Amino acid sequence: NAGVTQTPKFQVLKTGQSMTLQCAQDMNHNSMYWYRQDPGMGLRLIYYSASEGTTDKGEVPNGYNVSRLNKREFSLRLESAAPSQTSVYFCASSGGGRVYEQYFGPGTRLTVT
Amino acid sequence: GQQLNQSPQSMFIQEGEDVSMNCTSSSIFNTWLWYKQDPGEGPVLLIALYKAGELTSNGRLTAQFGITRKDSFLNISASIPSDVGIYFCAGRRTSGSRLTFGEGTQLTVNP
Repeated sequence: NAGVTQTPKFQVLKTGQSMTLQCAQDMNHNSMYWYRQDPGMGLRLIYYSASEGTTDKGEVPNGYNVSRLNKREFSLRLESAAPSQTSVYFCASSGGGRVYEQYFGPGTRLTVT
Repeated sequence: GQQLNQSPQSMFIQEGEDVSMNCTSSSIFNTWLWYKQDPGEGPVLLIALYKAGELTSNGRLTAQFGITRKDSFLNISASIPSDVGIYFCAGRRTSGSRLTFGEGTQLTVNP
């Protein structure tokens, strides 16, 4: 099992460009999450999907959109990148008998210039 | 929003020493989890706690769910260099699976 995978690992964008971060999990989990991590601020929830076909805003959703493509895949889109979106982005999933235990991918390091 | 206060922010210790860190909140949480993050990697789940007063171990790590349900503690015994990293607490408040994360404790272990 690969667990949670994320692509790309690194990305540099210019202000105003758009991009999509991809996430996939092979643990048959129902719930998936997108977080951003900034120095000294821990992990902040951007969007989550409790189950296939549903998505909800988290703590910091402005400037982002998400798509739960199927049970395995959950993508995060930046329509018009801003320097304030420079961060490390993590995808996570949870489900099964231990539904509250979230498992994280390796992250995408995004720089917006 | 909800906040978890994690302390200390950083720790510098000698190999072999024991480590203690904690997480507190003004709100009641129903689940507490502890994660470790190595540089350049995603957080890895260490221990999950589900009941007030619960004490759970994972090797040299021991975590406790506070009886007030507003705090949790993580202890690492006999630290080794590979314990270096950032340790995060996370809590689940009520319904749903959303977690709130603390700001992390940066641990440095000197050989």
